[in-house]
Amino acid sequence: AQRVTQPEKLLSVFKGAPVELKCNYSYSGSPELFWYVQYSRQRLQLLLRHISRESIKGFTADLNKGETSFHLKKPFAQEEDSAMYYCALSDHSGSARQLTFGSGTQLTVLP
Amino acid sequence: DAGITQSPRHKVTETGTPVTLRCHQTENHRYMYWYRQDPGHGLRLIHYSYGVKDTDKGEVSDGYSVSRSKTEDFLLTLESATSSQTSVYFCAIRAGVENTIYFGEGSWLTVV
Repeated sequence: AQRVTQPEKLLSVFKGAPVELKCNYSYSGSPELFWYVQYSRQRLQLLLRHISRESIKGFTADLNKGETSFHLKKPFAQEEDSAMYYCALSDHSGSARQLTFGSGTQLTVLP
Repeated sequence: DAGITQSPRHKVTETGTPVTLRCHQTENHRYMYWYRQDPGHGLRLIHYSYGVKDTDKGEVSDGYSVSRSKTEDFLLTLESATSSQTSVYFCAIRAGVENTIYFGEGSWLTVV
């Protein structure tokens, strides 16, 4: 069964500092990985997916199959980046394409 | 927002009462999902649907049932609510060329 691990529940950084949110996964096939962001009491929004390799709001994430990781990075954090971040893996078995989520990391960017 | 609306957005109910949450979509998407969000657990799949009258269980389906009699509506029912079902419930749909999953705004349910 697939599993997504986000080892940090809370992460605080100062504005302008680099930030890295860790995500590790276990999956027997070829994974499709995502990062979702949730601002306070709002819906989850897709931040990026590894297939598209886009940079959204300055965030990037590289899939490292050797280390089974998909860490989210931003070189210079902004206060508006404060939010809950979820790493998720898509299950390709059958046709459901369910998402399995990590437990989330609450990022706080301090002024 | 992928045309998803959830109702009610907030509800307080008593233990043992039935509760139904509604997810409505306007864009004819085939796949719909119900997740619950809890601290320390992230989001966990309750049930999903892949068409009218076609549903299947997710990771945490015990105590929940679903129905989809129309493409646009996916209902989640707690037959007899318990305090452990206090949570935030998110509906989601799968859409777009890349089959991206989009979420609704959430329904806050408190069982007292």
